[in-house]
Amino acid sequence: AQSVTQLDSHVSVSEGTPVLLRCNYSSSYSPSLFWYVQHPNKGLQLLLKYTSAATLVKGINGFEAEFKKSETSFHLTKPSAHMSDAAEYFCVVSDTSGTYKYIFGTGTRLKVLA
Amino acid sequence: GAGVSQSPRYKVTKRGQDVTLRCDPISSHATLYWYQQALGQGPEFLTYFNYEAQPDKSGLPSDRFSAERPEGSISTLTIQRTEQRDSAMYRCASSLEGWNEQFFGPGTRLTVL
Repeated sequence: AQSVTQLDSHVSVSEGTPVLLRCNYSSSYSPSLFWYVQHPNKGLQLLLKYTSAATLVKGINGFEAEFKKSETSFHLTKPSAHMSDAAEYFCVVSDTSGTYKYIFGTGTRLKVLA
Repeated sequence: GAGVSQSPRYKVTKRGQDVTLRCDPISSHATLYWYQQALGQGPEFLTYFNYEAQPDKSGLPSDRFSAERPEGSISTLTIQRTEQRDSAMYRCASSLEGWNEQFFGPGTRLTVL
């Protein structure tokens, strides 16, 4: 069965410094992986997705993630944090058994300090 | 429509009452998903539809929960005899076909007093 583990429940960075949100996955097959962002009182917005093409995936708002099969990781990074990046981030794997349901991690809350 | 919409956005009810939540997916999308998101957690799968068929309802927590999509477009999620533990954000998502990216609605926040 597929699963994802987000290694940090909270991350704090200073504005202008790099962001690293960690995610490890478990999947028997070549996975489809996603990062979503949830701002307070807003819906879930797709940041980026990996679907077995390039291992380095670029997303919106300067975010990117690298798929590393050997490490079963899909960490999210951004070179320079902005105040508007403060939100909750979810790593997601798509179930490959036929439903294609999303399996979410528990989330990482990113705090950006001025 | 332009995106996935859900109504109501907020629902407060008393324990024991029935509630019905509505999801209006993107018009061309065949597949529709329901998720439940408890406070401080990630969304968890409840059920999904391919058009009007409901191939998997394994995530529904109990037989008090039911969903339908009779004409393959709008879907409703009904919770009978609500309990306080049902308080959560209920999210709907749709995709063109199952293996495509899912687009999420804004969610319905249900509070059971």
